[in-house]
Amino acid sequence: EAGVAQSPRYKIIEKRQSVAFWCNPISGHATLYWYQQILGQGPKLLIQFQNNGVVDDSQLPKDRFSAERLKGVDSTLKIQPAKLEDSAVYLCASSLKRNTEAFFGQGTRLTVV
Amino acid sequence: KNEVEQSPQNLTAQEGEFITINCSYSVGISALHWLQQHPGGGIVSLFMLSSGKKKHGRLIATINIQEKHSSLHITASHPRDSAVYICAVPKEGGGADGLTFGKGTHLIIQP
Repeated sequence: EAGVAQSPRYKIIEKRQSVAFWCNPISGHATLYWYQQILGQGPKLLIQFQNNGVVDDSQLPKDRFSAERLKGVDSTLKIQPAKLEDSAVYLCASSLKRNTEAFFGQGTRLTVV
Repeated sequence: KNEVEQSPQNLTAQEGEFITINCSYSVGISALHWLQQHPGGGIVSLFMLSSGKKKHGRLIATINIQEKHSSLHITASHPRDSAVYICAVPKEGGGADGLTFGKGTHLIIQP
């Protein structure tokens, strides 16, 4: 069974630039999560989708971050414009349905300089 | 909002030792997750449990719902067990399932 795929693995951008991350969840998984993990900290939930609808985006900095899952499968997370403090690993996870085991991708390591 | 505390933050042990990592949370939950993270960022789910005890190989996870406490044990530890172990619970408790994570326990097993 293929796991959660994320791309790119690494990205370096200058502050004020924009960046987008892509996630392909495990086939058939209805629930998709984006997490931000700053170095030395545990991951923090940014947004949760159930199919193509948003379940929770309370911790998403909506002035600069956006995410979509238009067809209920792949998802993209965008940052525009990026700030230095956005440097982190962005993790995508999926689960078959809510309240079941989550499977994580390898993450995208973003460095903002 | 659920708060998660893990201890210890760092743990260095010798190969073969019995390892215990503890996790406490503040709000009643439907299930608790134990995850493993290796350098490079990949996170692997080890256990999802809502009561009692689960065992997988040399790993054992227990949970006490009344005391809001869980432990992860590693028997006959091996250098390949070196990783960060993270406890996570639903962010809001109850049926909501976006996770709040502990800061992790950095485990190093020396040969």
